[in-house]
Order: sequence, then C-alpha cells, then structure tokens
Amino acid sequence: DTGVSQNPRHKITKRGQNVTFRCDPISEHNRLYWYRQTLGQGPEFLTYFQNEAQLEKSRLLSDRFSAERPKGSFSTLEIQRTEQGDSAMYLCASSPPQIGGPYNSPLHFGNGTRLTVT
Amino acid sequence: AQSVTQLDSQVPVFEEAPVELRCNYSSSVSVYLFWYVQYPNQGLQLLLKYLSGSTLVKGINGFEAEFNKSQTSFHLRKPSVHISDTAEYFCAVSGVDSSYKLIFGSGTRLLVRP
Repeated sequence: DTGVSQNPRHKITKRGQNVTFRCDPISEHNRLYWYRQTLGQGPEFLTYFQNEAQLEKSRLLSDRFSAERPKGSFSTLEIQRTEQGDSAMYLCASSPPQIGGPYNSPLHFGNGTRLTVT
Repeated sequence: AQSVTQLDSQVPVFEEAPVELRCNYSSSVSVYLFWYVQYPNQGLQLLLKYLSGSTLVKGINGFEAEFNKSQTSFHLRKPSVHISDTAEYFCAVSGVDSSYKLIFGSGTRLLVRP
C-alpha cells in the first residue's frame, strides 16, 4: 500500500493559464474523489468516479473544470483559464469497493496539490 | 441535506491536559461519522469512524469520540494531549442524504502548548 499519490505538490500559474493535476489512487480502490480546500475551510466535494465512470459532479465544478479517469486507474483534474479564486489545495482520495449494504468505507487522502494563481 | 458544524475554530490547550473538540451534524436519516486529522502541508488521515453499534469509538493516537443521536453530536476527546497532536481536525458526515459522499466541517485547529 503506497498510498494516494498526487502530482505536482505545488503549482504556481498566471491567471488565464490552464493547469492539470494527476492523482494515482491506491491500487484496487475503485472509487476516486476530488476535493478542494481553501484556507481555513474543510474540504469541499468536487467530483467522484467509480472505476472510469464519473458519477457525480458538484455545482462548484464550473465548466472550466474537467476531470477524467481513463481505464479506471489514475485521474486528472484540469482547470482551464485559471482565475485567482481557483487558488486552493486540491485533494484526491480513494476508497475500496464495498460489497452489500450502504457505502461507508473511509476515504484515503493524498497530500494534495497546492495551486496558486497569480 | 447533511451538514457539519465545528463551532471552535481554534482550541489552545497545555500539554498533558484533556481536550474535547466539538462536532454537531444535521441529517434527517442515519449517518456515518468520521474524524480526520491534517498536519501542515499534508492530506487528511482518518482518526476514527462511527458506522453502527457502540456509541463510543476509539481511534488512533489515543483519541476517542462518542456518538450522541439525541444531541446530533460526535465530539472528539483525548485525556492527555501531546505537542505532536497540534494539527487541524475535521469532522465529517456521510449518508444517503449526501449520496454517501463525505461532507466536512470547517475544522478545528488544536494548538498544544508546552
């Protein structure tokens, strides 16, 4: 178990540029989540995948944001035409499959990618 | 909709003293409750969880929490804190109302002083 890996750890970009983050979940974890955390706040849900299917997207995820998880393994989160308000920590988490009953497996988080838009 | 309230943004405490971090949730249905800890520049680490059964749950690093359905609370406690417990603590709720996504509170910064 090597944990959830996120790259890069830090990204500084100018307003209007596009950025892409990568998340490698724990192997055999079929669920993958993206959260955004701003200073002094708890993580806010953005989107999640079960295998390669994107099952839910938050209203926080504007049209400038897109996430993919080809082949149900790693995931990428792209932000187009970045704005200063996009500056935040972007956290990825994964969780294992659960058989039967309501879903209650805890999430395993990566160390995040800190985005600064200047 | 489910939500979580952590009323204390910061809790200062002296080393070896007991501490309680408060968490209240709102939900119309059964919930699962979690506490996560976040050290500087790191992701979140699970401390403990309540899924069902005993209302007193024990976690890592000597922490425990008690689920109180009538008060819709899930307060985190530790009888004696260490300097190394200084971190941000997040309470989170999950359930059918949130399609089993984790909904986090705004966090409580525990500051342990020598």
